[in-house]
Amino acid sequence: NAGVTQTPKFRILKIGQSMTLQCTQDMNHNYMYWYRQDPGMGLKLIYYSVGAGITDKGEVPNGYNVSRSTTEDFPLRLELAAPSQTSVYFCASSYPYQGLMYSPLHFGNGTRLTVT
Amino acid sequence: GENVEQHPSTLSVQEGDSAVIKCTYSDSASNYFPWYKQELGKGPQLIIDIRSNVGEKKDQRIAVTLNKTAKHFSLHITETQPEDSAVYFCAASGSTGGFKTIFGAGTRLFVKA
Repeated sequence: NAGVTQTPKFRILKIGQSMTLQCTQDMNHNYMYWYRQDPGMGLKLIYYSVGAGITDKGEVPNGYNVSRSTTEDFPLRLELAAPSQTSVYFCASSYPYQGLMYSPLHFGNGTRLTVT
Repeated sequence: GENVEQHPSTLSVQEGDSAVIKCTYSDSASNYFPWYKQELGKGPQLIIDIRSNVGEKKDQRIAVTLNKTAKHFSLHITETQPEDSAVYFCAASGSTGGFKTIFGAGTRLFVKA
């Protein structure tokens, strides 16, 4: 199993441009997440999905959009990129069991995005 | 919503010494507390976790303790080695936010040879 795969690894955008960060997982996990990581700030949840066709906002959703058409894929869309979106983005997945109580996250290796 | 505080932000120890990282959480309904290790250029990886019905768990050189009354949990690494150098995150989930995981700000651990 490849686990969680993110592309691209690095990207530089100009202010106002758009892009899609790709994420795919081959573990048949129901739940998928997008986090951003800023220095000294830990990981903040942007969006999550509990299954194909179902998405919801996390802590910091403004400026982003997601879709979930298949179990495997969960792309993150940035419209009108801003310098505040410079960050490292991590996609993760999990398979909830025991009534959703104990569910570790499996992370990809991240996309480092710079907006200038 | 849930808030997780983590201390210290940076920790430097000599090889062979012990390292302790402490976290507190705000929502008493949280019931699952994982710890993740992040190496340079990679995503976080689960190293150990503890459930709310357990006070302590050990896996070789790593142990976690949980004090539900005080809403504290800690990571203990004994006999540290240079390969333990990384960023460590504590996290909490299972609160009113359900399965969503809330992370601490991270601790950068340096193990000096």
